[in-house]
Amino acid sequence: LAKTTQPISMDSYEGQEVNITCSHNNIATNDYITWYQQFPSQGPRFIIQGYKTKVTNEVASLFIPADRKSSTLSLPRVSLSDTAVYYCLVGDEGNTPLVFGKGTRLSVIA
Amino acid sequence: SAVISQKPSRDICQRGTSLTIQCQVDSQVTMMFWYRQQPGQSLTLIATANQGSEATYESGFVIDKFPISRPNLTFSTLTVSNMSPEDSSIYLCSVLLQGARLEQYFGPGTRLTVT
Repeated sequence: LAKTTQPISMDSYEGQEVNITCSHNNIATNDYITWYQQFPSQGPRFIIQGYKTKVTNEVASLFIPADRKSSTLSLPRVSLSDTAVYYCLVGDEGNTPLVFGKGTRLSVIA
Repeated sequence: SAVISQKPSRDICQRGTSLTIQCQVDSQVTMMFWYRQQPGQSLTLIATANQGSEATYESGFVIDKFPISRPNLTFSTLTVSNMSPEDSSIYLCSVLLQGARLEQYFGPGTRLTVT
């Protein structure tokens, strides 16, 4: 899996949009970008995956520029329940377990 | 998707003893993994549980300390042997569905405290 770099922590007030950027300068042509969310006392859960441009689902949006060397996870109008650690992973290993980096600890404040 | 359960959800154990953690999946899966997450840290992969053969361990983890069983495609156990306080951690079971790219499902974890 390609190495990723993301901020260690972020704070946000409720109702704001939060953007977490991940750098992956060595991304390979076949690699996909995947984000996981982990709430306290729970296992991580898959939230979104993309290859290029923009992907949106009911939880978040993922923006990927043309060079694919970075990506931005966007959480619209966060609430206290979005307080979690967010992990960015890059790769195309269909049968290989995920290797997690340090992630970004998001704290949402009332 | 896959639903994963783990037993026990938490335990407090004395040093020198062993604990076996069970992982049950609601469907047959080929790939099953065990992770450890120490307080405030990211997840560390312990091993891949292979059905019908010995588990594949990551660097720093050995079979004598973390024996793993995988008797079928829906069940696995991880034993933490001869425990010390440094083994206090959350242990998570995870599965990868066939054809899924980087999409793993995780159990709720087992919180182990060694005194």
